[in-house]
Amino acid sequence: DTEVTQTPKHLVMGMTNKKSLKCEQHMGHRAMYWYKQKAKKPPELMFVYSYEKLSINESVPSRFSPECPNSSLLNLHLHALQPEDSALYLCASSQGGQPFSGNTIYFGEGSWLTVV
Amino acid sequence: GENVEQHPSTLSVQEGDSAVIKCTYSDSASNYFPWYKQELGKRPQLIIDIRSNVGEKKDQRIAVTLNKTAKHFSLHITETQPEDSAVYFCAASWALNTDKLIFGTGTRLQVFP
Repeated sequence: DTEVTQTPKHLVMGMTNKKSLKCEQHMGHRAMYWYKQKAKKPPELMFVYSYEKLSINESVPSRFSPECPNSSLLNLHLHALQPEDSALYLCASSQGGQPFSGNTIYFGEGSWLTVV
Repeated sequence: GENVEQHPSTLSVQEGDSAVIKCTYSDSASNYFPWYKQELGKRPQLIIDIRSNVGEKKDQRIAVTLNKTAKHFSLHITETQPEDSAVYFCAASWALNTDKLIFGTGTRLQVFP
């Protein structure tokens, strides 16, 4: 089973709201990711957690705050977002922990975020 | 810094024809090269990947070739079908941390019946 589950599928929030995106995988993967994707663009890496520790932060604004409560769960907390943050937010996971060979990255269905 | 160039940006073919998408990467230490297919409104899905110790890999109508010397890799789709219509992204692993993929800009493939 290569399932990465994301909730909610759609989210509309105001610029003063606080909301969270949630992601779950039960494949025993040790690396989890947040990507942002705008229309007609490739996925853009935001954060990587490896063994529940933040390993990569691609200079993402602090209004996006990731959290990895355990090896199966990944959250993205959103606060004071701007309209330009509207995008598809993709969670992903991979086996991780293999520095000398690439790991297949499996994407969730994504959360469509609209900031009004 | 690391970079992956992808061409063409759009590709239109007749059903049954072949399609080829090419990517060039900048980091000679990259060692993993996946290809993702993304249909409209859907998630990117891995369709094939290749590692740097292999020159070619095939899975039914899809094949990927890798030229490490030239830092090129290509996706070949034979006997294209309308359901192959989608955006295809190539990617290369980042040498400093293979959990990070550098994506190409994408190719919109349209297969006309």
